[in-house]
Amino acid sequence: SQTIHQWPATLVQPVGSPLSLECTVEGTSNPNLYWYRQAAGRGLQLLFYSVGIGQISSEVPQNLSASRPQDRQFILSSKKLLLSDSGFYLCAWSEVNSNQPQHFGDGTRLSIL
Amino acid sequence: AQSVTQPDIHITVSEGASLELRCNYSYGATPYLFWYVQSPGQGLQLLLKYFSGDTLVQGIKGFEAEFKRSQSSFNLRKPSVHWSDAAEYFCAVGGGSNYKLTFGKGTLLTVNP
Repeated sequence: SQTIHQWPATLVQPVGSPLSLECTVEGTSNPNLYWYRQAAGRGLQLLFYSVGIGQISSEVPQNLSASRPQDRQFILSSKKLLLSDSGFYLCAWSEVNSNQPQHFGDGTRLSIL
Repeated sequence: AQSVTQPDIHITVSEGASLELRCNYSYGATPYLFWYVQSPGQGLQLLLKYFSGDTLVQGIKGFEAEFKRSQSSFNLRKPSVHWSDAAEYFCAVGGGSNYKLTFGKGTLLTVNP
């Protein structure tokens, strides 16, 4: 069966520091991969999605970037964190080139001080 | 552009009572519809999905949803709520060739004993 792993679960970072959140999927090949940010009362905001290695689509201009160095690895990064980057970050995957459901990791709670 | 509206931000029901959570969508073609549930600090778990066929779909944990094209709705129901159903519920719509989902802002369900 397929599993998705996100880490770390919780992260506290100072303003201006770099960020790297990692997401890996097991048990499937060439999945679609997604990064979301969730703020209280605002639902899920799609940040990036990827349909293959090195293929990244950005949904919202911002201080973050994403990379997909391997088929089942998706990384969310920032060179300098802002206070507004605080939130709950969720990674998800779905089957390649399909509208099958997305399956979510357990999320990372990011707090910026 | 696709959109999802969940009119109820917060619903409170008594344990054992019936439940209906509302979802209205806007989509230019045949939609793929989903309901997810999220417990505090966790990722989203898929409850059920609608792609085509029978407009009444059954999901996990005793939930069901009915697709009504004429009303652009996909309401979630459960005949008898359990205390463990307390969580936030998200409706989502997708179906395009970019394999993205648009989520509603969620409905928080509180269950009173």
